Amino acid sequence: AQSVTQLGSHVSVSEGALVLLRCNYSSSVPPYLFWYVQYPNQGLQLLLKYTSAATLVKGINGFEAEFKKSETSFHLTKPSAHMSDAAEYFCAVSGAGSYQLTFGKGTKLSVIP
Amino acid sequence: SQTIHQWPATLVQPVGSPLSLECTVEGTSNPNLYWYRQAAGRGLQLLFYSVGIGQISSEVPQNLSASRPQDRQFILSSKKLLLSDSGFYLCAWTPTGNTEAFFGQGTRLTVV
Repeated sequence: AQSVTQLGSHVSVSEGALVLLRCNYSSSVPPYLFWYVQYPNQGLQLLLKYTSAATLVKGINGFEAEFKKSETSFHLTKPSAHMSDAAEYFCAVSGAGSYQLTFGKGTKLSVIP
Repeated sequence: SQTIHQWPATLVQPVGSPLSLECTVEGTSNPNLYWYRQAAGRGLQLLFYSVGIGQISSEVPQNLSASRPQDRQFILSSKKLLLSDSGFYLCAWTPTGNTEAFFGQGTRLTVV
């Protein structure tokens, strides 16, 4: 069984400020972890993924995430927010050999000019 | 390269009417296929997934059904829509043995 908790359904940051979106997971097997971004009325786009290689994962658009097994966390960060980062972000987990992704409820990021 | 097509983009249907949403994948073979529903504040709910033609697994009991008549075609259906079926429906695929999912653009269904 696996689950994902995203802390904060809404996060607001100023343009140029650090973005930190939190994700904690539980999984009975070694996890694969993903962050997706969704713009209004569009599908989800993969930002980055962790699949048991390097614990610090770099993705598109300047985002990165760090896998911390001891904390069961996979938080998403970006050093400097841009207006175009305003979107909804989803963390997801799957177990090795599983067909299914389990998603968190999402965090809507607002960027204030 | 692989692409996924989902249509229609928006749909307004009366209560009690049938539904058919279609999803096709190009540029790959034997994909795993998925239907998700997204409701505001509730994240993505997996409705159905399929690992091959005619093989459908349902994750939640509901008013919907799914079919996979061809390797790269996945259809979501209902015989009689309910108001509660309104939502944003997303089709996705993953390569065999991989859970990195690629999503269609979604269908906004409003049942009135």
